[in-house]
Amino acid sequence: SAVISQKPSRDICQRGTSLTIQCQVDSQVTMMFWYRQQPGQSLTLIATANQGSEATYESGFVIDKFPISRPNLTFSTLTVSNMSPEDSSIYLCSVEVGDQGYEQYFGPGTRLTVT
Amino acid sequence: GIQVEQSPPDLILQEGANSTLRCNFSDSVNNLQWFHQNPWGQLINLFYIPSGTKQNGRLSATTVATERYSLLYISSSQTTDSGVYFCAVEPGAGGTSYGKLTFGQGTILTVHP
Repeated sequence: SAVISQKPSRDICQRGTSLTIQCQVDSQVTMMFWYRQQPGQSLTLIATANQGSEATYESGFVIDKFPISRPNLTFSTLTVSNMSPEDSSIYLCSVEVGDQGYEQYFGPGTRLTVT
Repeated sequence: GIQVEQSPPDLILQEGANSTLRCNFSDSVNNLQWFHQNPWGQLINLFYIPSGTKQNGRLSATTVATERYSLLYISSSQTTDSGVYFCAVEPGAGGTSYGKLTFGQGTILTVHP
């Protein structure tokens, strides 16, 4: 398994500002993933972050809006840039651990409200 | 991309009742997981089950990969079982799909005392 922490746990931000979310995992992992969960919706993958390379973004998500850093094998950040109320969501990071196959574990999430 | 459909979308039970949640997927998968999202938003791993049957206490799950569906069984439900249950799959194509989970829309379970 994996223990994942995220900071901040929640925040209220003003329109036009940016917020950086941190994700820390208790073991070294190759890939880290960032997901968004809009209110009342399911989870959608934003991007995949590998250490030492640029993140790979899913359709509908762009680097200018969601820049990602992956400086080492236990840490990643996601920035939500130039926020609007539509960015109000829970943002979650996850990692894949090969204890029994390739099970994914999620952090507790960052609940973001944009006013 | 792969499609994941969960049913029912909502389920209301009395404490002690049993239930079955279903997850249908449109293509072969390398990974299938069931999660419970609690009221605080935390996703709790229930099962990693790309095929076969597993049991953990009052919960069990079965995935029939050849028929592209998975079932989650909850027996003797408790109020603490309330929340949203998600099925998520990783497509079996590998390559650029590696590690990427596609989630179903979830089943909202409410258990009344």
